[in-house]
Amino acid sequence: AQTVTQSQPEMSVQEAETVTLSCTYDTSESDYYLFWYKQPPSRQMILVIRQEAYKQQNATENRFSVNFQKAAKSFSLKISDSQLGDAAMYFCAYRSAENYGQNFVFGPGTRLSVLP
Amino acid sequence: NAGVMQNPRHLVRRRGQEARLRCSPMKGHSHVYWYRQLPEEGLKFMVYLQKENIIDESGMPKERFSAEFPKEGPSILRIQQVVRGDSAAYFCASSPRPGESSYNEQFFGPGTRLTVL
Repeated sequence: AQTVTQSQPEMSVQEAETVTLSCTYDTSESDYYLFWYKQPPSRQMILVIRQEAYKQQNATENRFSVNFQKAAKSFSLKISDSQLGDAAMYFCAYRSAENYGQNFVFGPGTRLSVLP
Repeated sequence: NAGVMQNPRHLVRRRGQEARLRCSPMKGHSHVYWYRQLPEEGLKFMVYLQKENIIDESGMPKERFSAEFPKEGPSILRIQQVVRGDSAAYFCASSPRPGESSYNEQFFGPGTRLTVL
């Protein structure tokens, strides 16, 4: 079974600075998807960024980018120019691509605080 | 195109009562997933359904919990004889059929927060 680990329960960053959230995962599969979700106090799950394992190029979405290291099974999220609205819980998630319909496996989350 | 709808958003039950949580997937989506989020934890998979079929219920507790996704109407997650430990946020997600755009993503609803007194 796949597992997802987020070793940082809490992180803080100064507004306008850059922060990196860590995620590692364990799988024996070669084809899969990785996601970062943001959960603000409203509890709505918001997709931040996704990465296909077969793509070597790291995904980027505006201020959000990932560092995907397939061999190391690492998938970190970098937030540049942090804004107060970025404060939230961030969850890393894994989904198999080898069987359609596979559920997401989520990490325990990292709580990000943004300091003005 | 409306997103995934869940109702109620908040549900309060006393111990021993039944809780019924509803989920309407996005239009055109035929795959529904239920997840549970305990306080200060990540989401944990419970069950995966297609119309009139339970595909994977490996994350569902063996007793008191059941789920359905009928041919017509929303998906229902039912918890019988609730206990305090059932207090959590329950999220529904939906995805389209294989071959359709975004079929490898799941789109989440806003969740139902269940409180058991």
